[in-house]
Amino acid sequence: DAGVTQSPTHLIKTRGQQVTLRCSPKSGHDTVSWYQQALGQGPQFIFQYYEEEERQRGNFPDRFSGHQFPNYSSELNVNALLLGDSALYLCASSFRLAGQDTQYFGPGTRLTVL
Amino acid sequence: AQTVTQSQPEMSVQEAETVTLSCTYDTSENNYYLFWYKQPPSRQMILVIRQEAYKQQNATENRFSVNFQKAAKSFSLKISDSQLGDTAMYFCAFIPFNAGKSTFGDGTTLTVKP
Repeated sequence: DAGVTQSPTHLIKTRGQQVTLRCSPKSGHDTVSWYQQALGQGPQFIFQYYEEEERQRGNFPDRFSGHQFPNYSSELNVNALLLGDSALYLCASSFRLAGQDTQYFGPGTRLTVL
Repeated sequence: AQTVTQSQPEMSVQEAETVTLSCTYDTSENNYYLFWYKQPPSRQMILVIRQEAYKQQNATENRFSVNFQKAAKSFSLKISDSQLGDTAMYFCAFIPFNAGKSTFGDGTTLTVKP
């Protein structure tokens, strides 16, 4: 049973660039959530996708956008990168059914903005 | 808005002993889930234990158990017979029922000493 996978593992960008991160959910899951985790802090919720639509969003600017594909995989896009966007980006998947909100996390993508 | 507070940034315990990690939260929701996640130095976030707020019985998973006090909005994690592999950062997380937007605490770094 494949778990949550993310690509790439590491990424280095410069200020002002754009980046796309990818996530494949755990087999059987249909919901994907994205989190930003700064060093030494807890994950901060960015947004959640279900049925190819953004269902929930945290306090992140519009520079952060996403997409979910028919196969439930997802992308996180960040435009106009800032130094403060450097963080570990985590993807979590779940099965959106009442009582099934347990999220399983991928290994993350480490983004460094120079 | 929900908040999750972990008041112990760092803790240590001797191998085979018991340790308790604290978590408090604030919410106006009545139905929700609480989780403890473990993040070892490799950074993969792993689910430790889950508690449904409507259940009075405290959840238990092998050496891990929780003390859930709904009225006090407290959700502590007890690790019995601590093992070296328990060394990790532990996060407490809150999810409103059917909302999907998780809120995490800032974590407790646990070190198990031989």
